[in-house]
Amino acid sequence: GENVEQHPSTLSVQEGDSAVIKCTYSDSASNYFPWYKQELGKGPQLIIDIRSNVGEKKDQRIAVTLNKTAKHFSLHITETQPEDSAVYFCAASKTGGFKTIFGAGTRLFVKA
Amino acid sequence: NAGVMQNPRHLVRRRGQEARLRCSPMKGHSHVYWYRQLPEEGLKFMVYLQKENIIDESGMPKERFSAEFPKEGPSILRIQQVVRGDSAAYFCASSPPGSWQGSGNTIYFGEGSWLTVV
Repeated sequence: GENVEQHPSTLSVQEGDSAVIKCTYSDSASNYFPWYKQELGKGPQLIIDIRSNVGEKKDQRIAVTLNKTAKHFSLHITETQPEDSAVYFCAASKTGGFKTIFGAGTRLFVKA
Repeated sequence: NAGVMQNPRHLVRRRGQEARLRCSPMKGHSHVYWYRQLPEEGLKFMVYLQKENIIDESGMPKERFSAEFPKEGPSILRIQQVVRGDSAAYFCASSPPGSWQGSGNTIYFGEGSWLTVV
């Protein structure tokens, strides 16, 4: 069945460093890849997404890359700040597919 | 998260009782999804509904769980005869009508309902 794998499960970085989270997906028909940030006690919040017709998208300190051939996509956070500390989820879905499938999450700690 | 309203935010039930979780989608959204998040785990799809229709319930446990999205009012996730293993955060998400016809559909989450079974 559809599956999204996410690594690492935990990531600790120093403030100002970059953080990279990687995901792979199994369904080659997937064509939409959102990323969500979840803070403690709150719901997941969409932070950036990418569709299969582009290879990279950037929004200030956050960027996503997509390699459709390898079925990989990644989240890059530059100049990390303590408020970036949260759990990040990657996800995948496809046209007409009603389920958005989520990775297991990455707990990011940014040390001041 | 703006706009998807869930209540109650926290619910405590004794084993064997019923839990009812409610979700009002964002204004203009007609698709509702329920996800479950066990402690320290990811988001597991449960069910996708449109008004008066269950579209995909492949993630719903076969027994005790049911969901509805009536013509009027919020979507309801109902858990009968709760057990300790049902303790989790239940998230509702919504998306606009017709959004799935493009490449994938963006879903927006509520703040969740935390169920504790004692």
